[in-house]
Amino acid sequence: EAGVTQFPSHSVIEKGQTVTLRCDPISGHDNLYWYRRVMGKEIKFLLHFVKESKQDESGMPNNRFLAERTGGTYSTLKVQPAELEDSGVYFCASSPSGRASYEQYFGPGTRLTVT
Amino acid sequence: AQSVTQLDSHVSVSEGTPVLLRCNYSSSYSPSLFWYVQHPNKGLQLLLKYTSAATLVKGINGFEAEFKKSETSFHLTKPSAHMSDAAEYFCVVSSGGYQKVTFGTGTKLQVIP
Repeated sequence: EAGVTQFPSHSVIEKGQTVTLRCDPISGHDNLYWYRRVMGKEIKFLLHFVKESKQDESGMPNNRFLAERTGGTYSTLKVQPAELEDSGVYFCASSPSGRASYEQYFGPGTRLTVT
Repeated sequence: AQSVTQLDSHVSVSEGTPVLLRCNYSSSYSPSLFWYVQHPNKGLQLLLKYTSAATLVKGINGFEAEFKKSETSFHLTKPSAHMSDAAEYFCVVSSGGYQKVTFGTGTKLQVIP
């Protein structure tokens, strides 16, 4: 079974540019989560999809961030325009539906550097 | 509301000696607790989890953790450290209907030969 995959693994962009991160969850997982770790800080929750619907987006920092999950499969996280403080590692995780499983499976992360 | 405190940002041990990584939590609900490990340039890997069954939880690579409700702790231990254990470890609490997750700040484990 393939794990959670993220693309790209690294991205370096200039301030003001746009970047789109992609996450492919484990097949069949209804729950998809985005997290971010800014340098030296803790990993913070950004948002949670259940299938294609946003269940919780309370962690999204501002309206420069837009997450989508078309068809309830893969998800994208767009940052437009990027600012210096957006630099960090963006993790995606997925988990099956239902209350039986509380474990989230994480991808390797995308390291974003804004210069 | 929930929170996690990892009491040590860095821990250094000699190879073959015991490992103790400390974690305290708070939660308004009955929590699930996890330890994840991240090796350099790798993703987060689940070491073990507590979900209201046995309070002593055994995980992969010889790690275990004990859930102590009275102390609100979930410390991670291993009897004998290996060089391959050098990594960053995260304590995580999850609770509520959709299992909202809160991470600790992480503990970097250094293993000295």
